[in-house]
Amino acid sequence: DVKVTQSSRYLVKRTGEKVFLECVQDMDHENMFWYRQDPGLGLRLIYFSYDVKMKEKGDIPEGYSVSREKKERFSLILESASTNQTSMYLCASSSEGTGNTIYFGEGSWLTVV
Amino acid sequence: AQSVTQPDIHITVSEGASLELRCNYSYGATPYLFWYVQSPGQGLQLLLKYFSGDTLVQGIKGFEAEFKRSQSSFNLRKPSVHWSDAAEYFCAVGLTGGGNKLTFGTGTQLKVEL
Repeated sequence: DVKVTQSSRYLVKRTGEKVFLECVQDMDHENMFWYRQDPGLGLRLIYFSYDVKMKEKGDIPEGYSVSREKKERFSLILESASTNQTSMYLCASSSEGTGNTIYFGEGSWLTVV
Repeated sequence: AQSVTQPDIHITVSEGASLELRCNYSYGATPYLFWYVQSPGQGLQLLLKYFSGDTLVQGIKGFEAEFKRSQSSFNLRKPSVHWSDAAEYFCAVGLTGGGNKLTFGTGTQLKVEL
């Protein structure tokens, strides 16, 4: 079965802290994604990676960075967390090729206080 | 740039009634279209997708969607709703050659009355 695992489901961090959100997929997928989900705004793409060490900015990359050192792992980094980054973060992966099914993790709820 | 509109933020239906969730997209060429469902506190699960060919697409859990190019729509339907269908539904569009990135609508929250 397809599996995208986000290691932290619920986090509470302080303003200014550095935050790491980790995501692992076990499907040998080339593509990995980080989305942010907010009520009334749907899902917005933060960053996208199509290969190890490759990354591409999505629609809302400001305040975020990513790391992909291994094919199965894609990390989202908040260098200095702010309260407006309180949100649900969804990791996803897919095999190479347009239109292939994107599989989502269960999400990480981040609260910045 | 492509965009997706889901005009209904909330919909309430009675169990056993039919359901139609609306989705309109804006894109210059034929898009790839998807419907995902999200249960509370969970990630998204793919219901169905359209690439080409037959404009009526069957998905999981008894859902179907019809692609209408003239109306730029991809509405989701189910003939008889079950209480377990209560969830949030997202329409999404992908681009040809877009590296499989999707643009999502803002979602429709479905409530099912028993």
